[in-house]
Amino acid sequence: DGGITQSPKYLFRKEGQNVTLSCEQNLNHDAMYWYRQDPGQGLRLIYYSQIVNDFQKGDIAEGYSVSREKKESFPLTVTSAQKNPTAFYLCASSPRTGEKLFFGSGTQLSVL
Amino acid sequence: QKEVEQNSGPLSVPEGAIASLNCTYSDRVSQSFFWYRQYSGKSPELIMSIYSNGDKEDGRFTAQLNKASQYVSLLIRDSQPSDSATYLCAADIYGNNRLAFGKGNQVVVIP
Repeated sequence: DGGITQSPKYLFRKEGQNVTLSCEQNLNHDAMYWYRQDPGQGLRLIYYSQIVNDFQKGDIAEGYSVSREKKESFPLTVTSAQKNPTAFYLCASSPRTGEKLFFGSGTQLSVL
Repeated sequence: QKEVEQNSGPLSVPEGAIASLNCTYSDRVSQSFFWYRQYSGKSPELIMSIYSNGDKEDGRFTAQLNKASQYVSLLIRDSQPSDSATYLCAADIYGNNRLAFGKGNQVVVIP
């Protein structure tokens, strides 16, 4: 089945720790995105990538890092510099930027 | 600041009634507009996309776009309890085909 796989579903971070959220897609989409969603809020864009080996900051990139070494993979690292990381993280892809997004099932990150 | 706004609070509608949701956006260059439905704890799923002025119907859903007034709306006819969810409006307001989302409107359909 084609789709977007995010893992893990739940993740806990200790203070000062970096954690990496995985996102893999087999839809052959060029564009991939990371969004953060806080309770009762909409989606805020962290980073996006339009092609392999290229990515751009979104609205709230501070404290996060990404890589796009393969077309199907776009991992997100939440660094220790992100002081309020507790949120629901959504990865998405689209054939091209601006087209409808296909979302993964999300990762809930919490701080211990 | 460019943004997408959904200002209404939670919307309660009786089963079988019409639910009406509105969304405004700040930039006239926007060309693509989307409505996503999100159940609690789940990821958003696309229910409607609209690119031209006017109405677009898909089953019980109708999206309406008015570019001159910079708003897009969603009507849900014959509302069902399964329609109870948060509805997110999205638009490519940045001019480089990057989507921005509103905060969402919660809809509760009362049986």
